[in-house]
Amino acid sequence: DSGVTQTPKHLITATGQRVTLRCSPRSGDLSVYWYQQSLDQGLQFLIQYYNGEERAKGNILERFSAQQFPDLHSELNLSSLELGDSALYFCASSDPGGGLVTQYFGPGTRLTVL
Amino acid sequence: AQKVTQAQTEISVVEKEDVTLDCVYETRDTTYYLFWYKQPPSGELVFLIRRNSFDEQNEISGRYSWNFQKSTSSFNFTITASQVVDSAVYFCALSALRGSARQLTFGSGTQLTVLP
Repeated sequence: DSGVTQTPKHLITATGQRVTLRCSPRSGDLSVYWYQQSLDQGLQFLIQYYNGEERAKGNILERFSAQQFPDLHSELNLSSLELGDSALYFCASSDPGGGLVTQYFGPGTRLTVL
Repeated sequence: AQKVTQAQTEISVVEKEDVTLDCVYETRDTTYYLFWYKQPPSGELVFLIRRNSFDEQNEISGRYSWNFQKSTSSFNFTITASQVVDSAVYFCALSALRGSARQLTFGSGTQLTVLP
């Protein structure tokens, strides 16, 4: 158990809908990262937050957005969902004391868009 | 741009055989970190090891060992006396410092199947 929690574990929805994925980092970790794992694209970095502020953006679609709250949990919002958004979405966190180097991953949220 | 290549898509071995998973990386950064993660059938990503670019010492942890060679930009992972529980997808990843951003660039993964 990495200490990173993600809810829900599974999510099934329809095209055009909006969903919110939630992540709680390990205790003491200030940085949260979101990744998408799909069959065709592999594991891809989406976005990073550090102590409530956005720090880096990767291949994140405009239909996707994220935020990190004062209690350090983070939410990834996916809107106008398409079939191709079906994937496993991971959250990871890292510790500033460790130089933000090692990322520990949550169990993932499996999103299925029908 | 950073790139990680895991040329072996799938490997199948019989239990107790040794197996080496290859990883080749590309980066222009002089300071970077390399990682291996394991993704068992249950789907979670499990951190296995981290090396920094200044530390080329090989590492052994139980049945696992890692060979980092900067000259060939490789960071290979060997499992000795493989077991069925080692069956998983293994990812090699690279992280370089971009300000305070440290996103991981992953390889495409190697599916290891250990047969009884």
